[in-house]
Amino acid sequence: RKEVEQDPGPFNVPEGATVAFNCTYSNSASQSFFWYRQDCRKEPKLLMSVYSSGNEDGRFTAQLNRASQYISLLIRDSKLSDSATYLCVVIPYDKVIFGPGTSLSVIP
Amino acid sequence: SAVISQKPSRDICQRGTSLTIQCQVDSQVTMMFWYRQQPGQSLTLIATANQGSEATYESGFVIDKFPISRPNLTFSTLTVSNMSPEDSSIYLCSVGGQLEAFFGQGTRLTVV
Repeated sequence: RKEVEQDPGPFNVPEGATVAFNCTYSNSASQSFFWYRQDCRKEPKLLMSVYSSGNEDGRFTAQLNRASQYISLLIRDSKLSDSATYLCVVIPYDKVIFGPGTSLSVIP
Repeated sequence: SAVISQKPSRDICQRGTSLTIQCQVDSQVTMMFWYRQQPGQSLTLIATANQGSEATYESGFVIDKFPISRPNLTFSTLTVSNMSPEDSSIYLCSVGGQLEAFFGQGTRLTVV
């Protein structure tokens, strides 16, 4: 089993739609969780951290379920500029593990 | 936060040759990470580079193929040795840990 798994995608959604990405991780000792965004031909950039209590940043909401070892990202009112690959990131100890990524295309 | 300068940004190399990628960080960091991102794939950790000791390699990666140097707390190099077309990829260095990971701009390598 891979350390971090994500929805395979790609997700093609119309502008204004709500889209949710899921991610599972295998190491129960993982301490930190993030969603990163990677635009084509660019390095990954931090989108948001994920906390046990859940957190929201504008149109983006992240949730963590430690019991199920599951992380989610919800994007509301999708914009064309949201088109990118979204990477689930898990940090067990001092190693940063990336999920395979989910590709999102927002269509006019 | 950390700012990482990575070079070269891209290169086209002949098979059988070697390329050394450099990363310079604007602050002292204990660990630096080297990743490979093959076309259409996510980031795969190659190795963790600690200052003053040998790098720790992940399964599937060996020192002879990807030698790493870490001469001080702000600098590291990754060499891709005896290259083949299968080594064509983006290579990224990274620093960080519990709170966030920061990345160099990446080196886009094409082996012909």
